[in-house]
Amino acid sequence: ETGVTQTPRHLVMGMTNKKSLKCEQHLGHNAMYWYKQSAKKPLELMFVYNFKEQTENNSVPSRFSPECPNSSHLFLHLHTLQPEDSALYLCASSVRWAGGVEQFFGPGTRLTVL
Amino acid sequence: KQEVTQIPAALSVPEGENLVLNCSFTDSAIYNLQWFRQDPGKGLTSLLLIQSSQREQTSGRLNASLDKSSGRSTLYIAASQPGDSATYLCAVYNNNDMRFGAGTRLTVKP
Repeated sequence: ETGVTQTPRHLVMGMTNKKSLKCEQHLGHNAMYWYKQSAKKPLELMFVYNFKEQTENNSVPSRFSPECPNSSHLFLHLHTLQPEDSALYLCASSVRWAGGVEQFFGPGTRLTVL
Repeated sequence: KQEVTQIPAALSVPEGENLVLNCSFTDSAIYNLQWFRQDPGKGLTSLLLIQSSQREQTSGRLNASLDKSSGRSTLYIAASQPGDSATYLCAVYNNNDMRFGAGTRLTVKP
């Protein structure tokens, strides 16, 4: 285990459902991230939180809503998703959001949208 | 916009061989480059992080090099083992963004 945990590990939801993904890190880091990994596509950075402040939002649709209540926890709230949103969603953390720092990843949540 | 390419997409070698994985990027103004390993259905494990001012980093049987001016990095794996079988990803950081390659899927046959 890298110290970054994600729940649930697998999630199946309909397009009208509302669900949330949870990420928790026990590394004392100040930056947390959400990534999307679709089949046969490069990993995409979705959101960055640095010291609980959202610093980056890479043109992610509003049906994905992140929340960072403290530096140890990160949520991704999902609503009215589309089948093309099915992917592996990875959370990561690092000491801070900046160059020269190593990111540590959780195991991911495999999301299937029906 | 930074683009990261990894060649080959898949590689199969017999156990014991030395091998090289390639990563190229279009914008040489990077801050650092990181190599990761991903096992099927799992998250990423960081292998090596090379700062833009460095030319290489080593960890055990792994050696990563960086040629920023030509936009290239290589990951050298010595004496490959079946346990090295995984997908290897490279990622570059610059301009408050992190871009990943699509990965190279490595299979080491016993």
